[in-house]
Amino acid sequence: QSALTQPASVSGSPGQSITFSCTGTSGDIGSYNLVSWYQQHPGKAPQLMIYEVNKRPSGVSNRFSGSKSGNTASLTISGLQAEDEAAYYCCSYGDRSSLVFGGGTKVTVL
Amino acid sequence: QVQLVQSGAEVKKPGSSVKVSCKASGGTFSSYAVNWVRQAPGQGLEWMGRIIPILGVANYARDFQGRVTFTADKSTSTAYVELSSLRSEDTAVYYCAGGITTNYYMDVWGKGTTVTVFS
Repeated sequence: QSALTQPASVSGSPGQSITFSCTGTSGDIGSYNLVSWYQQHPGKAPQLMIYEVNKRPSGVSNRFSGSKSGNTASLTISGLQAEDEAAYYCCSYGDRSSLVFGGGTKVTVL
Repeated sequence: QVQLVQSGAEVKKPGSSVKVSCKASGGTFSSYAVNWVRQAPGQGLEWMGRIIPILGVANYARDFQGRVTFTADKSTSTAYVELSSLRSEDTAVYYCAGGITTNYYMDVWGKGTTVTVFS
C-alpha cells in the first residue's frame, strides 16, 4: 500500500493558524473514518494528537483539530505556539486491516 | 495507564536476525493490540503490522511479510518482533505502539529501540 501524501513542510508565526493535508485514496482515507495524526519531536516517540478523523485524546490541546473530505484529511493547529514545532504524521486504516502513514510534515514556527 | 518498555539498542551484522521486546508496565495487554512501527534515520514512520496478544493473531504489512514475525507472551505481557535476513536498510528505530484491539490508532508508545545493521 502506498504511503499517504503530505506536504514536506509548513510554517507559520506564533498565534497564527495553519492547516495541512494528507491525501490518500478511495481504498484508505476515502473509505474509512479511521484517520489519526501523530506529533513527533526530534529524538522522541510519536504522540497521538487526533484519532478517528476529528477526536482528541484526553490531554491534547483543543488548538488541534482534524477533518476529512473525500480522500483528503487535514490537521489544523490554531494559535500556533513554539512548542508545536515538530513533525506531524497522518495515518489511515486501509485494505486488509492494514495501516499506512503519510511521509510527514515538518511544522516550523517562525 | 499502561506504559510500554522496550529492550535496549542492538548492533547486528547483515544476514543475521534481531528480536526486540516490548513489555507492558502498569497493566497488561488484555485489551490491547501491539503495533510495530519503524523509522529509518531522517525518514518517516512505517507501519510493520500488529499482533493481538490475547489471541496470538498477527497481521503484517505487505512489505514485511515473510521476513518479520510478531509474537507475544501473555504471562509476562511482553510482545516481540523478530526481523530476519537483516540488511543495512533495516537500520532504524523500532517502536511498539499500543491501542485498544478494536481501534486502529495508537495511543501508547514505547520509547523505541535502535537497531543498527553494520558489517
